[in-house]
Amino acid sequence: GAVVSQHPSWVICKSGTSVKIECRSLDFQATTMFWYRQFPKQSLMLMATSNEGSKATYEQGVEKDKFLINHASLTLSTLTVTSAHPEDSSFYICSARESGDNGEQYFGPGTRLTVT
Amino acid sequence: GQNIDQPTEMTATEGAIVQINCTYQTSGFNGLFWYQQHAGEAPTFLSYNVLDGLEEKGRFSSFLSRSKGYSYLLLKELQMKDSASYLCAVMDSNYQLIWGAGTKLIIKP
Repeated sequence: GAVVSQHPSWVICKSGTSVKIECRSLDFQATTMFWYRQFPKQSLMLMATSNEGSKATYEQGVEKDKFLINHASLTLSTLTVTSAHPEDSSFYICSARESGDNGEQYFGPGTRLTVT
Repeated sequence: GQNIDQPTEMTATEGAIVQINCTYQTSGFNGLFWYQQHAGEAPTFLSYNVLDGLEEKGRFSSFLSRSKGYSYLLLKELQMKDSASYLCAVMDSNYQLIWGAGTKLIIKP
């Protein structure tokens, strides 16, 4: 099956610093990538949808200037958490959808961010 | 509004069968997904239904009734490793996934 990788798998950073998370589709082209956040014991929450070559669409309540998303190629999207705060500590998961509107979504393994 | 409902938690015995239900109300329908998520890990794909009926994959089966806005995931011959959260998600008319809150399945020996 298709594989989506994320890097890093876990990261600890200090308050006020920025962290970049990479999401790659390894064996398929993903025109659309999704970024989710999951707090403990809660469901996945969609943060934003990014389409290759265009600006990301953010869900209500998600600060676009704080969570910078870049989808520069068909196999790579990045999420940068800027000026991180402890409340940003969470599990961040990306997923990639194969080209075509009804392509299946494949999830990355997730990145656990801890802000101290 | 859009809504996905599934039980918060279920308990079953090793070797038994369990059925996890999901009801949905969404703006449009382009398929229903079931995912399994172990604690601390990302969800993994289990099944996709877009037509009414039962899809069987080994020990797992998924059923869909579009007219009733209803689906279930059936797990047979339960194993301890099946202890996980099971997420129901519906793809709406904009091809976005609407997620349920997940059902935590506890398997007892």
